[in-house]
Amino acid sequence: NAGVTQTPKFQVLKTGQSMTLQCAQDMNHEYMSWYRQDPGMGLRLIHYSVGAGITDQGEVPNGYNVSRSTTEDFPLRLLSAAPSQTSVYFCASSFDLFKGSRELFFGEGSRLTVL
Amino acid sequence: AQTVTQSQPEMSVQEAETVTLSCTYDTSESDYYLFWYKQPPSRQMILVIRQEAYKQQNATENRFSVNFQKAAKSFSLKISDSQLGDAAMYFCAYRSAGSGGSQGNLIFGKGTKLSVKP
Repeated sequence: NAGVTQTPKFQVLKTGQSMTLQCAQDMNHEYMSWYRQDPGMGLRLIHYSVGAGITDQGEVPNGYNVSRSTTEDFPLRLLSAAPSQTSVYFCASSFDLFKGSRELFFGEGSRLTVL
Repeated sequence: AQTVTQSQPEMSVQEAETVTLSCTYDTSESDYYLFWYKQPPSRQMILVIRQEAYKQQNATENRFSVNFQKAAKSFSLKISDSQLGDAAMYFCAYRSAGSGGSQGNLIFGKGTKLSVKP
């Protein structure tokens, strides 16, 4: 099983550039989410989705956009990159809220540096 | 809103010894899930152990066990016979058993960095 696949694993951007972090899962999970990890801050939720066509904001959504056109894919878009968005980004998925052990399955993370 | 607190930013243990990582949480819900995730230098998030709040029995997974105190809202992780490969960042996390809106989101503590000395 591929599980949760994130691309790219590393990216360097200049301030003002835009980019998309890709996330795909092959486990037929309804729930998908994006977190950012910063030193001393733990993981903070950016956006999440409970199914195709349904997305919502998490704790730190500003500067990010998401869409969920299929069950498998949940891309995260940085609209105009800022140095404050330098971070490690994780995509995670799980079964829906009515089944499963609620365990989140994580991708390997994407390290983004904004200069 | 629920919160998760890990009061130990860093911990150290001698190889083969036992170490306990602390976690407390705040919630008004009665049904929820608690997790410990391990993040080694590879950055991959690995589930270590899971506890359902409605179960009184503490979860165990080989050398890893938890002390779940529901009334005290405490969820500590005990690592027995520590190994060099246990060195990592450990995150405690909470997830509601509810089904509405943001209730399914995982809430993380800030992590405890565990070092294992040979």
